[in-house]
Amino acid sequence: AQSVAQPEDQVNVAEGNPLTVKCTYSVSGNPYLFWYVQYPNRGLQFLLKYITGDNLVKGSYGFEAEFNKSQTSFHLKKPSALVSDSALYFCAVRTISSGSARQLTFGSGTQLTVLP
Amino acid sequence: DGGITQSPKYLFRKEGQNVTLSCEQNLNHDAMYWYRQDPGQGLRLIYYSQIVNDFQKGDIAEGYSVSREKKESFPLTVTSAQKNPTAFYLCASRDSLNTGELFFGEGSRLTVL
Repeated sequence: AQSVAQPEDQVNVAEGNPLTVKCTYSVSGNPYLFWYVQYPNRGLQFLLKYITGDNLVKGSYGFEAEFNKSQTSFHLKKPSALVSDSALYFCAVRTISSGSARQLTFGSGTQLTVLP
Repeated sequence: DGGITQSPKYLFRKEGQNVTLSCEQNLNHDAMYWYRQDPGQGLRLIYYSQIVNDFQKGDIAEGYSVSREKKESFPLTVTSAQKNPTAFYLCASRDSLNTGELFFGEGSRLTVL
């Protein structure tokens, strides 16, 4: 079975400061890892993904994430937070070995609030 | 522009009524999904379909039904058997690449009165 944990329900950060949203995963086999963002009453928007290769992945809106296999983590980061980054962030994982379309598991989400 | 369209955006239903949520995509994606979102619980998979005329139950399929008669369309019916249907429902699609990310619609919020 695969699972994703987002240990923080809420993250607050001041505008201009760096932000980190944490994600750890558990899978058998090599993972595909994703970050999505959701604004109120909207669908999820894709930010970035890790498939293979460089452990540092760059995505939309200045976000990046670092894949750490030994710590089974895929934390989302941004060097300088904007108030407009305030939203709900979801980490998701699926396994490369799985041929099933269903094998995408989401974390419970982290509400990021950037304070002006 | 290509994308996924969900309708209606907001829907109110009386107890005992069935309702159908629409999901249409023009991305030419093979796989389509329905998720339910409740506060603090993330996304839970209701049904998914990898190809026309075929669909599979997800983790919380009880009280829901789907059809996939066309590649572009994957409607979800919330039946009266669903005990707690008030939620935000999200439709998504994905291309056939194994590495592909999901593309989501804007969601439908169902409230049972």
